[in-house]
Amino acid sequence: AQSVTQLDSHVSVSEGTPVLLRCNYSSSYSPSLFWYVQHPNKGLQLLLKYTSAATLVKGINGFEAEFKKSETSFHLTKPSAHMSDAAEYFCVVSGRMDSSYKLIFGSGTRLLVRP
Amino acid sequence: DGGITQSPKYLFRKEGQNVTLSCEQNLNHDAMYWYRQDPGQGLRLIYYSQIVNDFQKGDIAEGYSVSREKKESFPLTVTSAQKNPTAFYLCASSIDLVQGARAFFGQGTRLTVV
Repeated sequence: AQSVTQLDSHVSVSEGTPVLLRCNYSSSYSPSLFWYVQHPNKGLQLLLKYTSAATLVKGINGFEAEFKKSETSFHLTKPSAHMSDAAEYFCVVSGRMDSSYKLIFGSGTRLLVRP
Repeated sequence: DGGITQSPKYLFRKEGQNVTLSCEQNLNHDAMYWYRQDPGQGLRLIYYSQIVNDFQKGDIAEGYSVSREKKESFPLTVTSAQKNPTAFYLCASSIDLVQGARAFFGQGTRLTVV
């Protein structure tokens, strides 16, 4: 079975400092992994995805994530936080269901950015 | 512009009523999904559809029903059997149900029982 755990429900950083949002996954297969961002009362927007190509994945808005199989992790980072980064972030694994796949969501990490 | 449109944005329901949430996509995607989002929780899958005239229950289908008569449309009905319907509902679509297929999301419908 596939699952994903986001290790922090809230992360608070100062503007201009690095961001680290942690995610661990469990998968019987070589997984596809995603990070999505959700601003308040909005839908979800894809930040980046990993599908067994390069282990360091670059996404939009300066975010990137590194797939580490040995640690079963897919942490999201950004060198310098901006106020507009304040949102909820979801780590997602593509998991097998019957003959197809479904997206399995972590519980989310709310990023707060202090001025 | 291609995308997914959910309507209405806000919906109020009296107890005992059925309500239908609309989801339309013009991305020519085969697969469509409905998720429920509650505070502090990730998204939970209600129903999904791989192709027209076919749909399957997700993890929390009780009290909900769907139809997929057209490729572009995947409406969700929240029935009176759903005991706690107040939540944020998100519709999504993807090209198909293969691993690695990214999902595109609508802007959501916030349903409140009054």
